[in-house]
Amino acid sequence: DTAVSQTPKYLVTQMGNDKSIKCEQNLGHDTMYWYKQDSKKFLKIMFSYNNKELIINETVPNRFSPKSPDKAHLNLHINSLELGDSAVYFCASSLLGVGTEAFFGQGTRLTVV
Amino acid sequence: KQEVTQIPAALSVPEGENLVLNCSFTDSAIYNLQWFRQDPGKGLTSLLLIQSSQREQTSGRLNASLDKSSGRSTLYIAASQPGDSATYLCAVLGNSGGGADGLTFGKGTHLIIQP
Repeated sequence: DTAVSQTPKYLVTQMGNDKSIKCEQNLGHDTMYWYKQDSKKFLKIMFSYNNKELIINETVPNRFSPKSPDKAHLNLHINSLELGDSAVYFCASSLLGVGTEAFFGQGTRLTVV
Repeated sequence: KQEVTQIPAALSVPEGENLVLNCSFTDSAIYNLQWFRQDPGKGLTSLLLIQSSQREQTSGRLNASLDKSSGRSTLYIAASQPGDSATYLCAVLGNSGGGADGLTFGKGTHLIIQP
């Protein structure tokens, strides 16, 4: 069983479109995250979210928004896509406040053309 | 603001050698430190997790150490094999906000093991 799963694995779309990436975890974790890996392979946190609080990295444009229908899911919505949004997006999960191991999904490679 | 630095950025060694990857971080207020492996076009695989109260962790041929006070960690790979070729990422979880800020990553060490 996959611990953290993301769909789709690849996403190619035109500038200006709105798209979503889905993430699900079956680990019983209470906190989920979205990370962005840019063209230079550098990983940076975008959001962390549990059922109490959403923490947004200040550098993330407000075109990006996380949506959590329940504790096991955290989807990433992106509005008005731009060329610079092309990257690999990773979902992750862990237990907040305990400092447990973070588990990552396989990533979604987004290409904006 | 936490910053994580990994040295070297790239390393190429013959098979069988023992090697050390270095990681340093600027803020010692951490919950834990995690080492990951990333293969080209793939996701992140967790290798070792060291809690802030621990000094080292071992898994097979891998040994990771942590010196929180000096802000340093090393990943030791014994008897390297071509299958170890990958990018190795170091990440720390800060303990401000209960760890809700997520992991801060280094830029990785790209490792090539020559057969």
